[in-house]
Amino acid sequence: SQQGEEDPQALSIQEGENATMNCSYKTSINNLQWYRQNSGRGLVHLILIRSNEREKHSGRLRVTLDTSKKSSSLLITASRAADTASYFCATSPMKTSYDKVIFGPGTSLSVIP
Amino acid sequence: EAGVTQFPSHSVIEKGQTVTLRCDPISGHDNLYWYRRVMGKEIKFLLHFVKESKQDESGMPNNRFLAERTGGTYSTLKVQPAELEDSGVYFCASSLEVRNSPLHFGNGTRLTVT
Repeated sequence: SQQGEEDPQALSIQEGENATMNCSYKTSINNLQWYRQNSGRGLVHLILIRSNEREKHSGRLRVTLDTSKKSSSLLITASRAADTASYFCATSPMKTSYDKVIFGPGTSLSVIP
Repeated sequence: EAGVTQFPSHSVIEKGQTVTLRCDPISGHDNLYWYRRVMGKEIKFLLHFVKESKQDESGMPNNRFLAERTGGTYSTLKVQPAELEDSGVYFCASSLEVRNSPLHFGNGTRLTVT
């Protein structure tokens, strides 16, 4: 069954605005990751946040994790047209001794110049 | 460092034929994963190798799919015989550690079964 699910499914914003995507999951996790996919390309890793962490930053990206609510958010600040892509959250269940990375259906982000 | 490479980038075959996809992970990455995305739906886990051993193959859809990683370097995913529903994009990824390590993806192989 699907572990993570992003919200919204699609998001359209103007360049310069902030974009926020949310991810909810069902079971306890070891870590949560966010990936980006440009059309026709492979997925690119953005940020990995462990279950004992609450917030991580990388450039214009900020990821939060709330394990009590089983949710995460990805914030992209000052968006650019080049940020147009699909964004996926991926979770690794706690129950495995290794990372079994399970992807959500993704959020399609369009940044309008 | 060279990234994860997949070959071919596209493959069009007829139902009943055999296709073999290849993945070359980043050198030194013991962990290798196969995923597929069918009809633009979610990216589904197929299996995970640690070196040459199958750590988890719970996502393999049926026995028409065979994955190998002889010598713990590159991996192949064979589909035999191919069915229409096998069409999709097959992604390979590798990671350095088995835990808390980002996945590095190839650009995928787009498989079309007609």
